[in-house]
Amino acid sequence: KAGVTQTPRYLIKTRGQQVTLSCSPISGHRSVSWYQQTPGQGLQFLFEYFSETQRNKGNFPGRFSGRQFSNSRSEMNVSTLELGDSALYLCASSLFTAPGTDTQYFGPGTRLTVL
Amino acid sequence: GDSVTQMEGPVTLSEEAFLTINCTYTATGYPSLFWYVQYPGEGLQLLLKATKADDKGSNKGFEATYRKETTSFHLEKGSVQVSDSAVYFCALVYSNDYKLSFGAGTTVTVRA
Repeated sequence: KAGVTQTPRYLIKTRGQQVTLSCSPISGHRSVSWYQQTPGQGLQFLFEYFSETQRNKGNFPGRFSGRQFSNSRSEMNVSTLELGDSALYLCASSLFTAPGTDTQYFGPGTRLTVL
Repeated sequence: GDSVTQMEGPVTLSEEAFLTINCTYTATGYPSLFWYVQYPGEGLQLLLKATKADDKGSNKGFEATYRKETTSFHLEKGSVQVSDSAVYFCALVYSNDYKLSFGAGTTVTVRA
């Protein structure tokens, strides 16, 4: 079974631009979560989607948004990019049949660099 | 709020040495606990997990026991290899939840 895939793997943008990252979960997984990883802040939860609904959002500004499609694929968007948005963005999927105990499987991430 | 505290790295070991990475948590209730590993240039991989007190997770020679009385989930491996060089993250998630809260990560380097 294919793992979680994320595209693109690398992105370079300039301040003020916007960016869209894509995540395809493992087949059959309906929950998709996004995390931001930076050297300074570590791994931080962005948001989680299940059946096309955002169920929770982390402590990030409104410039960070996302959505999930009927096939469970998810996208996240960052508008008006800032230098501090440079990070590795990780997507994780899970079956979510047993909340709290399900394993979340991570993709390889998208490395975003903002110049 | 909930938090996970890991021992600070970096940790440098010789092959076949014993590895311990301490992890403690503060949380209300009874979370599930996880260890994830991140190899250079890659995403996170689940190493092991434990979902209730006294559970022991194990995988690839790594072990960790969920100690409710000390709110700890220390990772151990008896004999490390160069291929174990990576960043290790301790994490927790609550029942009926899906948001992983991670520790800061511990970088481990194993020298031949």
